[in-house]
Amino acid sequence: GAVVSQHPSRVICKSGTSVKIECRSLDFQATTMFWYRQFPKKSLMLMATSNEGSKATYEQGVEKDKFLINHASLTLSTLTVTSAHPEDSSFYICSAEWVAGGRYNEQFFGPGTRLTVL
Amino acid sequence: AQSVTQLDSHVSVSEGTPVLLRCNYSSSYSPSLFWYVQHPNKGLQLLLKYTSAATLVKGINGFEAEFKKSETSFHLTKPSAHMSDAAEYFCVVSGVGNFNKFYFGSGTKLNVKP
Repeated sequence: GAVVSQHPSRVICKSGTSVKIECRSLDFQATTMFWYRQFPKKSLMLMATSNEGSKATYEQGVEKDKFLINHASLTLSTLTVTSAHPEDSSFYICSAEWVAGGRYNEQFFGPGTRLTVL
Repeated sequence: AQSVTQLDSHVSVSEGTPVLLRCNYSSSYSPSLFWYVQHPNKGLQLLLKYTSAATLVKGINGFEAEFKKSETSFHLTKPSAHMSDAAEYFCVVSGVGNFNKFYFGSGTKLNVKP
């Protein structure tokens, strides 16, 4: 199956700093990538849809100035958490959409990035 | 709008006994439905998917799910649980009309007792 990587896998930062997380589709091109947030023992919450060459689409309640998304190429999307605070600590997961043809597409998920803000 | 409801937050079974994880969906369109598994500190792994072909879908590791439109259900089953099946399971719905966004259920934690 298709492989999606995330870097870093784990990051600890001080409050007020910014952190960038990379999501790469390693063996296929992805016009669309998605960013999710998972709180401890909770489900995944879709944060935004990242489209190559255009602005990301954010879900209701997600601050676009807080979570900056850049999808500069067909294999790379980045999520930057700006001026991070402890409440931003979470597990961030990306996925890349693979166009299967027909009526549905499939998403392949990265392994996630654990962000801890001190 | 699409959503999924996973009826049980925790399920506990003994090794060798059947597994049933329940999922009901709501969709304005003909949905695509998925089951994913997440082991501790691991990424999401696709178990199986329904995309309007056969209603009984076979997945990896002996898991199956049956799409029942009349009941709006997509329950996950396995005839015999293995210790390695202990994990968090997510039911996901996606719709053609929403740019293929995935909507996750709240998850079911499966515990397998020896």
